[in-house]
Amino acid sequence: GENVGLHLPTLSVQEGDNSIINCAYSNSASDYFIWYKQESGKGPQFIIDIRSNMDKRQGQRVTVLLNKTVKHLSLQIAATQPGDSAVYFCADPDNQGGKLIFGQGTELSVKP
Amino acid sequence: KAGVTQTPRYLIKTRGQQVTLSCSPISGHRSVSWYQQTPGQGLQFLFEYFSETQRNKGNFPGRFSGRQFSNSRSEMNVSTLELGDSALYLCASSLETGAESSPLHFGNGTRLTVT
Repeated sequence: GENVGLHLPTLSVQEGDNSIINCAYSNSASDYFIWYKQESGKGPQFIIDIRSNMDKRQGQRVTVLLNKTVKHLSLQIAATQPGDSAVYFCADPDNQGGKLIFGQGTELSVKP
Repeated sequence: KAGVTQTPRYLIKTRGQQVTLSCSPISGHRSVSWYQQTPGQGLQFLFEYFSETQRNKGNFPGRFSGRQFSNSRSEMNVSTLELGDSALYLCASSLETGAESSPLHFGNGTRLTVT
């Protein structure tokens, strides 16, 4: 069954504001999570990943937070720009080879 | 370095036909995975190939098959097409098998429409 799920299917933010996209998972044995961004007409693009031995990981304008107690992770985008408009997926690798289990995705819209 | 290349980008087929989709992974990547993306079911794993061997398979009927060549290029085939097979088919490559060992890099997909 599905391990990861997103809280909101859509999110609208003002340009320049911070965005927070949430994801919950059910398998307490999950120890690695990946965030992907999918723009219209393109395939998913790797953004950032985090392993369970970390609570926080930062990239360029993005931060992923992992709360293992409540099995929740979030992707924070600072100073959201129009180019950030896309569908964002959290994903959890299955333990069998190259299989990723994706959440349903949150569509982020950035208002100018 | 060139990304994952999928051909064709768009395809229109009729029910009952068969189709072959092609994927060229990033140079040096040995693992290729295939996913189906639909509005209703989202992204679903089809299968993964590594060193010409299928390593893992998702919950799809036997009409969906694939293979990998010695140069790591991969093809997937869908026989006896059904309307419900209309979807975006995505290929992803990684250095090694196992999504935890190296991130998956996706191509832009083949949009298949079955009429």
